[in-house]
Amino acid sequence: DARVTQTPRDKVTEMGQEVTMRCQPILGHNTVFWYRQTMKQGLELLAYFRNRAPLDDSGMPKDRFSAEMPDATLATLKIQPSEPRDSAVYFCASGSGDNNSPLHFGNGTRLTVT
Amino acid sequence: TQLLEQSPQFLSIQEGENLTVYCNSSSVFSSLQWYRQEPGEGPVLLVTVVTGGEVKKLKRLTFQFGDARKDSSLHITAAQTGDTGLYLCAGVLTGNQFYFGTGTSLTVIP
Repeated sequence: DARVTQTPRDKVTEMGQEVTMRCQPILGHNTVFWYRQTMKQGLELLAYFRNRAPLDDSGMPKDRFSAEMPDATLATLKIQPSEPRDSAVYFCASGSGDNNSPLHFGNGTRLTVT
Repeated sequence: TQLLEQSPQFLSIQEGENLTVYCNSSSVFSSLQWYRQEPGEGPVLLVTVVTGGEVKKLKRLTFQFGDARKDSSLHITAAQTGDTGLYLCAGVLTGNQFYFGTGTSLTVIP
């Protein structure tokens, strides 16, 4: 059963430190999404890639967040420097690029910045 | 500002009761999807609706897409404890951009 894999599962770090989250999309999927989930805001779209090219990162704070896809099997989301307000669960999802097909989510990275 | 508003935000009901969750927007979507999320996991797709006015049934769950493709509802008949979870609607815009609603947290009490 193909799955989206995210690492690490949990991350606790101090304010000011760099955080890198990784995602392995489902093989053959050509779209990758990064979302942040908090109780207050729900699921917020941070970045969206199609065929490894970034199409929309307007939801991402540009001064500290960056998202890349170095190859088709790896997507990364980096925060530098991290702040307490970045504490949330970060989800990666991949899809086939068809509007009627579902997104497949990983189990998320729970980030706590102290 | 959220593109999709869901109501209610929280719902706690007794087993066997019926409930309806609403998902509203001012935007027109290519399609709309409903997901369910359990603690510690990512959302999982329940259904996709594509045509305005479309109704889909999944056992005790009934999904409806509004005629104008701006809103949707999820109705659960005779809720069971296994229905407990976070229900999310997601509107898909042209270009395969997925925007999620604010979520409805459902608790079914035995």
